[in-house]
Amino acid sequence: DAGITQSPRHKVTETGTPVTLRCHQTENHRYMYWYRQDPGHGLRLIHYSYGVKDTDKGEVSDGYSVSRSKTEDFLLTLESATSSQTSVYFCASTSGGSNQPQHFGDGTRLSIL
Amino acid sequence: QQQVKQSPQSLIVQKGGIPIINCAYENTAFDYFPWYQQFPGKGPALLIAIRPDVSEKKEGRFTISFNKSAKQFSLHIMDSQPGDSATYFCAARGGRGSYIPTFGRGTSLIVHP
Repeated sequence: DAGITQSPRHKVTETGTPVTLRCHQTENHRYMYWYRQDPGHGLRLIHYSYGVKDTDKGEVSDGYSVSRSKTEDFLLTLESATSSQTSVYFCASTSGGSNQPQHFGDGTRLSIL
Repeated sequence: QQQVKQSPQSLIVQKGGIPIINCAYENTAFDYFPWYQQFPGKGPALLIAIRPDVSEKKEGRFTISFNKSAKQFSLHIMDSQPGDSATYFCAARGGRGSYIPTFGRGTSLIVHP
């Protein structure tokens, strides 16, 4: 399995505070993604990256920003957390080959009080 | 606009039954159709995938059936076991240079002993 680790695995914070989630992959994958998973909504794409310093918005990007300064690291930042951003966040990566699936981390459970 | 529609949302079967999960897509540019399995507290993991040039693919007890003309594909789990209890996501990806998969909303499967 692709080595993808997310940190922290759990976090509780207060409304209005900044939060940064980290995703680290050891597979030298070009593409990386951040999703949020909520009941009834499945996986929704927040942002993705197609290379170092190359990122783009997904379908639910409002309130989130990302950065990718190295191939192996993809950071997701909530500049000012809101209760609606309480969710489970998953990072994924892929090499981008025609038959290559995404590989997911085990998620970060974020609670914003 | 939901480009991949997955049904049912939840499914309960007895051990040995054959649960079937269906997905329908709209974008004819899709050319890679993976299924992911997700256990509680874990990230989704690739289960099986198919390309539209074949109508069926089997891996162990898991089979994907693909109907290109109807733009539908389905997952069948033969001789289901309690350990198959999980959430299943279908996805579709495609078009040259497109590495943003579209996910179905997921099916929660429970297999009773």
